[in-house]
Amino acid sequence: EVQLVQSGAEVKKPGATVKISCKVSGYTFTDQYMHWIQQAPGKGPEWVGLVDPKDEETIFAEKFRGRLTITADTSTDTAYMELSSLRSEDTAVYYCAIIPVPSMVQGVFGHWGQGTLVTVSS
Amino acid sequence: DIVMTQSPDSLAVSLGERATINCKSSRSVLYSSNNKNYLAWYQQKAGQPPNLLIYWASTRESGVPDRFSGSGSGTDFTLTISSLQAEDAAVYYCQHYFTTPPFFGQGTRLEIK
Repeated sequence: EVQLVQSGAEVKKPGATVKISCKVSGYTFTDQYMHWIQQAPGKGPEWVGLVDPKDEETIFAEKFRGRLTITADTSTDTAYMELSSLRSEDTAVYYCAIIPVPSMVQGVFGHWGQGTLVTVSS
Repeated sequence: DIVMTQSPDSLAVSLGERATINCKSSRSVLYSSNNKNYLAWYQQKAGQPPNLLIYWASTRESGVPDRFSGSGSGTDFTLTISSLQAEDAAVYYCQHYFTTPPFFGQGTRLEIK
């Protein structure tokens, strides 16, 4: 069974940095791109970026470029999302997600982590 | 970016009745070389991540009840729930995956009348 287990909720001050983890099991970590998705309170999900765990190549949404780092540790089958220079509008639940089956094209999200709430408040 | 717009923002439907949610993309998400629409639908309940219902605009994900169906092509799509059950109360999102970034609609809240 595919499982994506994320780290716990975080409270950060404006200007700080947050790092969220997503530990996977039930499939070969390097076989799938790992996507990260933001969902602000009361809003639709918004794609943040992805990492290819094989070589840590990344693609980011324009909105997050310059503040976002996404990495993958193949020794622990864990992906990480780090967002810096936090501001109040970064308050959201962040999800990691992968495609539902290996044959699917990228961008269909069939397996999700449980979500990590990041609250940015002074 | 291709922007997705859903309508209505919310609706209330009686148990056993049909619910219809619309989704429009700012440009076509139909890929001509394989004739597939790069459009998915998700259901989200409070405190949970979105759950994939439909992809390729009309293909149900494994385990999704057949009362859920998707239709449409190009820029206009519809999610239909043929006979509403109590457990279908949720927020529904469409999402394109035609280009990067994939983009979600703003959501439609479905309530039981």
